[in-house]
Amino acid sequence: EAGVVQSPRYKIIEKKQPVAFWCNPISGHNTLYWYRQNLGQGPELLIRYENEEAVDDSQLPKDRFSAERLKGVDSTLKIQPAELGDSAVYLCASSPSGRDEQFFGPGTRLTVL
Amino acid sequence: KQEVTQIPAALSVPEGENLVLNCSFTDSAIYNLQWFRQDPGKGLTSLLLIQSSQREQTSGRLNASLDKSSGRSTLYIAASQPGDSATYLCAATQGGSEKLVFGKGMKLTVNP
Repeated sequence: EAGVVQSPRYKIIEKKQPVAFWCNPISGHNTLYWYRQNLGQGPELLIRYENEEAVDDSQLPKDRFSAERLKGVDSTLKIQPAELGDSAVYLCASSPSGRDEQFFGPGTRLTVL
Repeated sequence: KQEVTQIPAALSVPEGENLVLNCSFTDSAIYNLQWFRQDPGKGLTSLLLIQSSQREQTSGRLNASLDKSSGRSTLYIAASQPGDSATYLCAATQGGSEKLVFGKGMKLTVNP
């Protein structure tokens, strides 16, 4: 069974440019998460989806970050415009439901110059 | 607000030792606690999930325990191997929600 798929794996952009990350969760998993992991830190939740609905986006900086999960399957996280402080690893995870074991993708390492 | 702490931040041991990794959390009203492993430049690999009603879970050489009353979990690694070298992260749900709150992780090095 395929795991969580993320692309791209690496992205280098200039500040103020837009960037988008894509995630395809494990088949059948209703819950999808986006996390941000800074160097030397644990991941921090940005947004959680139950099917198409964003049920927890309290940590998402809504002035520049947006996310969508059309049709309740794959998801896109966008940053526009990117700032230097956005450099981090962006991780996507999925689980059958909100209280189940979470499975993570390999992440996208973003560098903002 | 849930806070998760892992001490020490790093540990270096010779191969073959039995290890105990510690995790503490401030809010005992958790749904579950999960242990992960992260290799350099990679995503997280789930090791064990302990539901709030459980006291421990085992998988191969790994055993995780949960004591909600004291706000502690331990991950026991038996007969450590160089391949166990990685960063180990503990995550507990925030009280009353399904949101996972992570510790900063503990970097383990097992020397041959």
